[in-house]
Amino acid sequence: EPEVTQTPSHQVTQMGQEVILRCVPISNHLYFYWYRQILGQKVEFLVSFYNNEISEKSEIFDDQFSVERPDGSNFTLKIRSTKLEDSAMYFCASSSGYPNSPLHFGNGTRLTVT
Amino acid sequence: DAKTTQPNSMESNEEEPVHLPCNHSTISGTDYIHWYRQLPSQGPEYVIHGLTSNVNNRMASLAIAEDRKSSTLILHRATLRDAAVYYCILRDGNAGNMLTFGGGTRLMVKP
Repeated sequence: EPEVTQTPSHQVTQMGQEVILRCVPISNHLYFYWYRQILGQKVEFLVSFYNNEISEKSEIFDDQFSVERPDGSNFTLKIRSTKLEDSAMYFCASSSGYPNSPLHFGNGTRLTVT
Repeated sequence: DAKTTQPNSMESNEEEPVHLPCNHSTISGTDYIHWYRQLPSQGPEYVIHGLTSNVNNRMASLAIAEDRKSSTLILHRATLRDAAVYYCILRDGNAGNMLTFGGGTRLMVKP
């Protein structure tokens, strides 16, 4: 069964550094998402992306965050200047274009900011 | 988004059925009821969804009350691998809509 893959599985970075989290969505999917989960807390929506532009974003997704689909297969989340509070699991997801199509999630990247 | 209410945790014995309840009294006519689960150290995983009628798939069954203000996810025979957090989520039927996760129900399965 096709799956969403995320790399790296764990990233450690210093405060103030830029990080790029990478995702390969399922190949024929049209909608892409990033979520995060701080340890012990809820899964929180960050952003959705369709037709090469952001379709929806949450308050968490401020100017420090950006998303890109650089080559038709990868979907990336960039954090420009990481803060300690950005430490979390980041999940990428994708869905097809059909109404009510489920979201397929990757297994996440654990980001640790020191 | 319309909200859902679930118990924080439930326990079950292995190989017994499990009924996970969800209340959604403010559900709107266009909201579908979705269930996802999150196994330890993994991303959320789709389980099932429905609108009005009961639904069955290989993972579970979904029973929806006639007034749609509550629903129940049924695992027919719990295994240790079913230990996870189960999320009941209301989602408008339009393509591409995101999911809003609540706290879910942590299901513990005893051998």
